[in-house]
Amino acid sequence: KAGVTQTPRYLIKTRGQQVTLSCSPISGHRSVSWYQQTPGQGLQFLFEYFSETQRNKGNFPGRFSGRQFSNSRSEMNVSTLELGDSALYLCASSLDPAQEQFFGPGTRLTVL
Amino acid sequence: DQQVKQNSPSLSVQEGRISILNCDYTNSMFDYFLWYKKYPAEGPTFLISISSIKDKNEDGRFTVFLNKSAKHLSLHIVPSQPGDSAVYFCAARTRNFGNEKLTFGTGTRLTIIP
Repeated sequence: KAGVTQTPRYLIKTRGQQVTLSCSPISGHRSVSWYQQTPGQGLQFLFEYFSETQRNKGNFPGRFSGRQFSNSRSEMNVSTLELGDSALYLCASSLDPAQEQFFGPGTRLTVL
Repeated sequence: DQQVKQNSPSLSVQEGRISILNCDYTNSMFDYFLWYKKYPAEGPTFLISISSIKDKNEDGRFTVFLNKSAKHLSLHIVPSQPGDSAVYFCAARTRNFGNEKLTFGTGTRLTIIP
């Protein structure tokens, strides 16, 4: 079974731009969660989607948004990028929100 | 407000000895705890978990201990092997429907010295 895939793996943007990251969950998984990893902060929860509905949202500004499609694939968007948005963005999928999460390799975003 | 804390950013252990990674939490609503292991350029992988109704769970070389009164859990790896060198994240969540999101600690970088 293929694992969680995230595209692109690396991205360089400049301040003020916007970015869209993509996540394809494991086949059959309907829950997708997004996390931001920065040095010293661990993994910070961004949001969780299940069956195309956002179930939970972390403490991030409105510049961070996401969505989930009918095939369970998910995208997250960050608008008006700031230097502090430079991080590894991780996506995790599970059969449902109560089940074990499997992580993708992440997208490394660098904002210059 | 860091609800899950890993106070040791790094730990070095001799190969063959025991590695003990610690984690503290503040939210008494957490009732399920997990450990993840992360290698560079890869996503975290699930290692072992424990429910709040237990105080110990074992899986091969890995054992997790939970002390609910102290709001403390620890991961023991014995014997430690070079392949165990990675960053370890402690995570916690409630089982309340609609709020199962994981809260992670900041991670501990474990280095096994050959």
